[in-house]
Amino acid sequence: GQQVMQIPQYQHVQEGEDFTTYCNSSTTLSNIQWYKQRPGGHPVFLIQLVKSGEVKKQKRLTFQFGEAKKNSSLHITATQTTDVGTYFCAGRNTGTASKLTFGTGTRLQVTL
Amino acid sequence: DADVTQTPRNRITKTGKRIMLECSQTKGHDRMYWYRQDPGLGLQLIYYSFDVKDINKGEISDGYSVSRQAQAKFSLSLESAIPNQTALYFCATSGPGENQPQHFGDGTRLSIL
Repeated sequence: GQQVMQIPQYQHVQEGEDFTTYCNSSTTLSNIQWYKQRPGGHPVFLIQLVKSGEVKKQKRLTFQFGEAKKNSSLHITATQTTDVGTYFCAGRNTGTASKLTFGTGTRLQVTL
Repeated sequence: DADVTQTPRNRITKTGKRIMLECSQTKGHDRMYWYRQDPGLGLQLIYYSFDVKDINKGEISDGYSVSRQAQAKFSLSLESAIPNQTALYFCATSGPGENQPQHFGDGTRLSIL
């Protein structure tokens, strides 16, 4: 079945440093979504990418969908302590209606 | 989302017991999902439903069953709980179509002794 892997599993940065998490699917995706889960909280939707090579920005966050629609990345510029949490990508396989396969997640820790 | 409510929030029980986790939503969504979260494994889909009485197996349905008797309610049952079902369980909903985000409840932390 479809697998979605994320690297790194964990990253610890100093506030102000940049952070990137990478998401790789074993199959071609029709779209990919990103979620953030704060410690003790539930996943919250951030954004969706649909087109090959698409890039979207939300303030300090930049999301990219690969040309082959099998990988994606999330880059945070100048991290803040409010960025702490686990970031999940979730891919929807072409031909498998509405089921999202979540990645393994990257936990981000930010210290002053 | 406060619009997706899970009960109970925490539950400790013993091996072999039957457990039901409830999920209700006020978002008016037809699509509902149950996920299990274990450390380092992300979210794994247990069951999903696109409408009342519509039930579909996810990646890890063995040992679980669900019921969708009304649009707003989707319950998950563990018929005979075992310790490796100890996990954080999330219910989620989504609107129609293939490009909709999922909205999660606050989760149920389940411990099976």
